[in-house]
Amino acid sequence: AQKVTQAQTEISVVEKEDVTLDCVYETRDTTYYLFWYKQPPSGELVFLIRRNSFDEQNEISGRYSWNFQKSTSSFNFTITASQVVDSAVYFCALDTNAGKSTFGDGTTLTVKP
Amino acid sequence: NAGVTQTPKFQVLKTGQSMTLQCAQDMNHEYMSWYRQDPGMGLRLIHYSVGAGITDQGEVPNGYNVSRSTTEDFPLRLLSAAPSQTSVYFCASSDGGRSPYEQYFGPGTRLTVT
Repeated sequence: AQKVTQAQTEISVVEKEDVTLDCVYETRDTTYYLFWYKQPPSGELVFLIRRNSFDEQNEISGRYSWNFQKSTSSFNFTITASQVVDSAVYFCALDTNAGKSTFGDGTTLTVKP
Repeated sequence: NAGVTQTPKFQVLKTGQSMTLQCAQDMNHEYMSWYRQDPGMGLRLIHYSVGAGITDQGEVPNGYNVSRSTTEDFPLRLLSAAPSQTSVYFCASSDGGRSPYEQYFGPGTRLTVT
């Protein structure tokens, strides 16, 4: 069975601080995909990144960066110089079969001005 | 393309009532899924489909039925609503070919059962 753990339930930072959201996953499959989604207060799910199990390169997109480490089964997400608009719930998810994602319980990020 | 659409956006039911949540996609995706999101939790898979005529259960299928008669539509039926089914329901689709693991989510249906 697959499992995704986001140990941080809530994080509060002041604008311009850097913040890292942790994600630890469990799977016996050797081929899998990891995702991060953002859910703003409006409720929709916004896709942020997809990473497959064979690609451990870190990725940077603007103020966002992701660190994938298979050795520790982690896929952490860092926001640099956080902004109020980053306030949202962030979900990490694991896919070992197309269309069957396992989600973590989410981390609620509050960025205060 | 409209992407993944869901209707209705909001619904209130009384215990024991039945209803169907509609989901449609116009991207010709093979895979479609239904998830529910309870307060303070992530999404949990209810049912999914890998193509027209093929469906299977996910993590929390009890109380829900699905069918997939066309590629575009994947309705979710609640036969006898219960307060435990109060949740936000998301439908998703993905391409089984080029990018099978990239899911496109609909805007969600917020269901309250009283």
